[in-house]
Amino acid sequence: GENVEQHPSTLSVQEGDSAVIKCTYSDSASNYFPWYKQELGKRPQLIIDIRSNVGEKKDQRIAVTLNKTAKHFSLHITETQPEDSAVYFCAASSTSGTYKYIFGTGTRLKVLA
Amino acid sequence: EAEVAQSPRYKITEKSQAVAFWCDPISGHATLYWYRQILGQGPELLVQFQDESVVDDSQLPKDRFSAERLKGVDSTLKIQPAELGDSAMYLCASSRIGQGSETQYFGPGTRLLVL
Repeated sequence: GENVEQHPSTLSVQEGDSAVIKCTYSDSASNYFPWYKQELGKRPQLIIDIRSNVGEKKDQRIAVTLNKTAKHFSLHITETQPEDSAVYFCAASSTSGTYKYIFGTGTRLKVLA
Repeated sequence: EAEVAQSPRYKITEKSQAVAFWCDPISGHATLYWYRQILGQGPELLVQFQDESVVDDSQLPKDRFSAERLKGVDSTLKIQPAELGDSAMYLCASSRIGQGSETQYFGPGTRLLVL
């Protein structure tokens, strides 16, 4: 069935360094890829998304890249800050069906001051 | 900024009891989702509504879970009887699918503990 794999499960970086989280999806019909940030005890918040007709999207310190051929997409955070510490989830969705999201298992990012 | 509302935020119950969770989506959002999130995992879709109709409940354990959205606005998710394995965070989300956007907006969740 549909599946999204996410790596790594935990990631520790020094403040100011970059962080990269990678996801792989199985459903070739997937064409929408959102990323959510979930702080402890809070709701998941959308931080960036990308559609399959675009290879890269950037918003200030956050960027997402998509390789449709390899079915990979990645989240890049530059100049990390302590407030970036959270759990990050990727998801894949197909707009030709019910728009159902398949989520990855999450990455716990710790930014060390 | 409008947000998805959920209640209660926390629920402790004993196994075999019935529990119910409520969700009020962002005004105007026709699509509503219920997810279960087990600690350390990503959210898993339980049921998806388009207005008052169920469009996907393939992962809903129908022997004990039920969901309704009678007027196509707010929704209730019920578990009867609750089991120890139901302990999890239950998240509600809404979106404007068919209205120009597939982005899902999440509520704060209900954390359920079954003893």
